[in-house]
Amino acid sequence: GQQLNQSPQSMFIQEGEDVSMNCTSSSIFNTWLWYKQEPGEGPVLLIALYKAGELTSNGRLTAQFGITRKDSFLNISASIPSDVGIYFCAGNAGNMLTFGGGTRLMVKP
Amino acid sequence: NAGVTQTPKFRVLKTGQSMTLLCAQDMNHEYMYWYRQDPGMGLRLIHYSVGEGTTAKGEVPDGYNVSRLKKQNFLLGLESAAPSQTSVYFCASRPLGGQRPFNTGELFFGEGSRLTVL
Repeated sequence: GQQLNQSPQSMFIQEGEDVSMNCTSSSIFNTWLWYKQEPGEGPVLLIALYKAGELTSNGRLTAQFGITRKDSFLNISASIPSDVGIYFCAGNAGNMLTFGGGTRLMVKP
Repeated sequence: NAGVTQTPKFRVLKTGQSMTLLCAQDMNHEYMYWYRQDPGMGLRLIHYSVGEGTTAKGEVPDGYNVSRLKKQNFLLGLESAAPSQTSVYFCASRPLGGQRPFNTGELFFGEGSRLTVL
């Protein structure tokens, strides 16, 4: 089946630093999405990208849909302690959503 | 607004026992999904449904069965639980279409059900 490689698997950063994570796939997706999961909760959508090359921001978050439609990245600027959680990329190519393995972000105050 | 509600939140089973996880959504969504989450492996799709009375296999369907008798409910069953099915299970739903003219994949998730099989 389709596989998404998400990196890094985990990050431990200082508050105020910028964060970058990415996802690559062997398959083309029509939509790329980025979710955040906090402890004990289900994932919540952060940003959705609908066409190749699209760059979208949501507050301190910026994500891009790669030109080849096989990759996407998420940047978080000026991290704060409440940014901690697991960030998942996901690609949509029909009725199913395929998820990456997640990036666990830890922020040191 | 309840959104997507999963019951139970926690369950411990012995190998060979059966159980059913219930997912209920009050958003009138057409599509419903069951995922399992294991460390480092993200979310893997077990089964999904594109409407009442229909179900389809996902990436890891073996050992699970599902039913969608009512639009608002999606049940996940384990007939004979195995330790490999120890996981956190998430139900999700989404509407048909959306703000875009094509499927966006924007899922709404429940809070998860933690299942341990001894």
